[in-house]
Amino acid sequence: GAVVSQHPSRVICKSGTSVKIECRSLDFQATTMFWYRQFPKKSLMLMATSNEGSKATYEQGVEKDKFLINHASLTLSTLTVTSAHPEDSSFYICSARDVHLSGEKLFFGSGTQLSVL
Amino acid sequence: GENVEQHPSTLSVQEGDSAVIKCTYSDSASNYFPWYKQELGKRPQLIIDIRSNVGEKKDQRIAVTLNKTAKHFSLHITETQPEDSAVYFCAASIGYGKLTFGQGTILTVHP
Repeated sequence: GAVVSQHPSRVICKSGTSVKIECRSLDFQATTMFWYRQFPKKSLMLMATSNEGSKATYEQGVEKDKFLINHASLTLSTLTVTSAHPEDSSFYICSARDVHLSGEKLFFGSGTQLSVL
Repeated sequence: GENVEQHPSTLSVQEGDSAVIKCTYSDSASNYFPWYKQELGKRPQLIIDIRSNVGEKKDQRIAVTLNKTAKHFSLHITETQPEDSAVYFCAASIGYGKLTFGQGTILTVHP
């Protein structure tokens, strides 16, 4: 099946710094990628839809200036957590849709555990 | 927007028994319903999915049923094994890959 690579898998940073997370579709083109946030023992909450070549669409309540999304190519989307605070600590996970091969199926990255000190 | 409710939140069964997890959705336009299995700290893995033009789908020990009229769908796992222990999520989509997830069910299969 299609492979989605996400890096880093784990990051620890100080409050006030910015952290960039990369999501790559390795063997397919993804015009759309999705970013989720997951707290321990909780569900995946959609943060934003990343669209190649255009602005991301953010879900209600998600600060677009805090969670910057860039989808500059058909295989790469990045999420930057700006001026991170301890409450931003969470598991962030991306997914991508291979329109040509899998229709509605989504393929998930391996996730990034962010810890802000 | 879409709202997906999932029950139960925890489910404990003996090895060999069946497990059933149920979900309801609110948006009648939803037409794709996947189920994911997630182990701690890992990515969700698609285990089975169903589209709105189908009422039931089966893959070995796993089956999913969909009742469009009632707007609910269920996951059935038969002959459970300890390795089935994980968190299971249902989801619903109106298309374009945008999923709304249920709250998750922690399944524990006791040997």
